[in-house]
Amino acid sequence: AQSVTQPDIHITVSEGASLELRCNYSYGATPYLFWYVQSPGQGLQLLLKYFSGDTLVQGIKGFEAEFKRSQSSFNLRKPSVHWSDAAEYFCAVGAQAAGNKLTFGGGTRVLVKP
Amino acid sequence: EPEVTQTPSHQVTQMGQEVILRCVPISNHLYFYWYRQILGQKVEFLVSFYNNEISEKSEIFDDQFSVERPDGSNFTLKIRSTKLEDSAMYFCAGRVGINEKLFFGSGTQLSVL
Repeated sequence: AQSVTQPDIHITVSEGASLELRCNYSYGATPYLFWYVQSPGQGLQLLLKYFSGDTLVQGIKGFEAEFKRSQSSFNLRKPSVHWSDAAEYFCAVGAQAAGNKLTFGGGTRVLVKP
Repeated sequence: EPEVTQTPSHQVTQMGQEVILRCVPISNHLYFYWYRQILGQKVEFLVSFYNNEISEKSEIFDDQFSVERPDGSNFTLKIRSTKLEDSAMYFCAGRVGINEKLFFGSGTQLSVL
């Protein structure tokens, strides 16, 4: 069965500082990996996804993530955080199957200090 | 950017009552999903729907749950007899193709009293 672990429940970062959110997955085959962001009262917005190819993927809002098969990780990074990045971030793993369901991690809430 | 619309944004119901959560997917989407998030817990997959039938469902999606797309536009989730533990945020999602971007609605917060 597929599973996703986000070890950090909360992260506080100063505006302008770098951010890294950890994600570890368990999946029996080559995974499809995603990062979503959820702002209060909003739905889940896709930041980026990895299907194949280059293991460093670029997303929206200046985010990037790196797939490391040997570590079963897909960590999200941003070099310089803006106050508007305060939100909850979810890592997810999916499969190319009929339903193509996503399995989500527990989320990491990011607080941005001025 | 096109949006998935969910109504209502909040729904309060009594235990044992039936509820219908509504979703209007983006018009060219073919694959549809329901997920839910109980407060403080992970977002959980409930069901996927393609070509007017369920393609996959989770253990959560028991006989009390059903989905349909009655008119080719709305995509609904029905809970026949709600339980307290059904209280959660329910998200509808859709995509054009199997590997295409998944668009989520902003959710319906269901509270069962």
